[in-house]
Amino acid sequence: NAGVTQTPKFRVLKTGQSMTLLCAQDMNHEYMYWYRQDPGMGLRLIHYSVGEGTTAKGEVPDGYNVSRLKKQNFLLGLESAAPSQTSVYFCASSYLGIGYTFGSGTRLTVV
Amino acid sequence: GNSVTQMEGPVTLSEEAFLTINCTYTATGYPSLFWYVQYPGEGLQLLLKATKADDKGSNKGFEATYRKETTSFHLEKGSVQVSDSAVYFCALSAPSGGSYIPTFGRGTSLIVHP
Repeated sequence: NAGVTQTPKFRVLKTGQSMTLLCAQDMNHEYMYWYRQDPGMGLRLIHYSVGEGTTAKGEVPDGYNVSRLKKQNFLLGLESAAPSQTSVYFCASSYLGIGYTFGSGTRLTVV
Repeated sequence: GNSVTQMEGPVTLSEEAFLTINCTYTATGYPSLFWYVQYPGEGLQLLLKATKADDKGSNKGFEATYRKETTSFHLEKGSVQVSDSAVYFCALSAPSGGSYIPTFGRGTSLIVHP
């Protein structure tokens, strides 16, 4: 099915470990976004990309890095995980802001 | 900057009751407006949208009308079902500096009892 695929779906990290979350979309969308969702905080934008090879900071970028080497993929990296990064992470893509398609999320726990 | 304000929840209703979830927005220019729904353990799904003033978006019995004069996009459904229990997000999208960055409300939890 066409859409946005996130991997992995669940992950437990120890403090200080690193990991990469992968987002892949097959709709040829230019825009891709990474959000985190925490109870009572709604969705907060971490980083976004307006096209292949471009990235930009969102509302809460500290502690995260991203890369968009291919149009269909948007990677979110945590270099040194902290308990404050325990959250549910969502990737989304869009064609010129007409609508946003979300992945099913990655539930990350940092212990 | 752009912002979306929606009523805090949870909203608790009995099955077949009428639903209204209020949403107001602040934006420069002419944004597109959306309602998304999130079921437990899932990502957000587009429920309905409206792209210009006075447009009415509708889907699965839900409706919302883009009211520019009151900067509102309230979600309504005439008769809710238990299966409508979810979190609902109001959102807007408008170009800013050449980019489209959506702005989401904080979400309203809906609980429908049999």
